[in-house]
Amino acid sequence: RKEVEQDPGPFNVPEGATVAFNCTYSNSASQSFFWYRQDCRKEPKLLMSVYSSGNEDGRFTAQLNRASQYISLLIRDSKLSDSATYLCVVNPFGSARQLTFGSGTQLTVLP
Amino acid sequence: GAVVSQHPSRVICKSGTSVKIECRSLDFQATTMFWYRQFPKQSLMLMATSNEGSKATYEQGVEKDKFLINHASLTLSTLTVTSAHPEDSSFYICSARDPDAGSNQPQHFGDGTRLSIL
Repeated sequence: RKEVEQDPGPFNVPEGATVAFNCTYSNSASQSFFWYRQDCRKEPKLLMSVYSSGNEDGRFTAQLNRASQYISLLIRDSKLSDSATYLCVVNPFGSARQLTFGSGTQLTVLP
Repeated sequence: GAVVSQHPSRVICKSGTSVKIECRSLDFQATTMFWYRQFPKQSLMLMATSNEGSKATYEQGVEKDKFLINHASLTLSTLTVTSAHPEDSSFYICSARDPDAGSNQPQHFGDGTRLSIL
């Protein structure tokens, strides 16, 4: 079983749609969780951290369910510029240790 | 602005050439840097953890003699792909974490190096 699993997609949605991505992780002792965004042929960029109580940043909402070892990302009112690959990232050891990446979910927002 | 600088961004060279990639932390000192590799349509895979002043820690399956890592200062780590072959063609990315940042601030990534071996 992969340490971090994501639905690869692709998700093709019209502008303005709401889309949700899910991710599961295998290490129950994992400390920190993040969503990164990666544009084609570019480095990953941090989109948002995921907190236990859930958190929101503008159109983006992240949820964490530790019992089910499940993370989600909700994007509301999708923009064309949201088209990218979204990476679920888990830090199993916390702090400065290495990150474990999911394979990413590809999103294309259509005009 | 970028807090981790990676150079070069693109390398095309012949099989058998050795290629050096540099990763610098610009605004902070990084005792630990990470080197990842990403093949097309795949996730980033950690290759090794670079430790300032000591030997790098390599992930299982990564040849330490093939991928030489040197972390000689608190702001610079280098990855050298020795005698590169076409199967080494990939996107190599380094990252580092600002130790003074909050615990929920993860790593900063360099821009990546796209390596193509002909």
